[in-house]
Amino acid sequence: AQSVTQLGSHVSVSEGALVLLRCNYSSSVPPYLFWYVQYPNQGLQLLLKYTSAATLVKGINGFEAEFKKSETSFHLTKPSAHMSDAAEYFCAVTKGAGGGNKLTFGTGTQLKVEL
Amino acid sequence: KAGVTQTPRYLIKTRGQQVTLSCSPISGHRSVSWYQQTPGQGLQFLFEYFSETQRNKGNFPGRFSGRQFSNSRSEMNVSTLELGDSALYLCASSLEEASGYEQYFGPGTRLTVT
Repeated sequence: AQSVTQLGSHVSVSEGALVLLRCNYSSSVPPYLFWYVQYPNQGLQLLLKYTSAATLVKGINGFEAEFKKSETSFHLTKPSAHMSDAAEYFCAVTKGAGGGNKLTFGTGTQLKVEL
Repeated sequence: KAGVTQTPRYLIKTRGQQVTLSCSPISGHRSVSWYQQTPGQGLQFLFEYFSETQRNKGNFPGRFSGRQFSNSRSEMNVSTLELGDSALYLCASSLEEASGYEQYFGPGTRLTVT
């Protein structure tokens, strides 16, 4: 079974500082990995996805993530935080390839950006 | 292209009642999945429909059911509502392998059970 673990339920950074949100996965097959963002009272918006084409994945709003098989990690980064980045971020995994579209989510990381 | 739409956006029901939530996927998407989001349990998969057939099911009681119509629109139903069913219910649609299995989410239906 696939699962993801997000370290740190709350992360606080200063505006302009590096954002690093951690995600480790567990999967018996090569996974499809995703990062989603959720703003208050809204649904989930896809930031980026890993589908084995490239280990460094660039997403929207300046975010990127690197797939590291040896560390079973898929951490999300952004070089310079902006106030508008304050939201909750979810890492998710799916098996794909006949496994259907069941996404398994991490517990989420609330990002706070301070002036 | 229009995104995933969900109706209603907000709903208040009383314990014991039943409720039906609706989801219209992105045009061309045949896979529709439903998720429940609560502060205590986080985001949990309910079920997935593809071409009018339930393809995956999460670990929820039989009070939770769904269906998909020939135009890919989907509904989920919760019978005999309990206080613990209060949650944000999210619907997502997907093109599957063609899009790397990425799912596009609607804004959700906020259900409050009193």
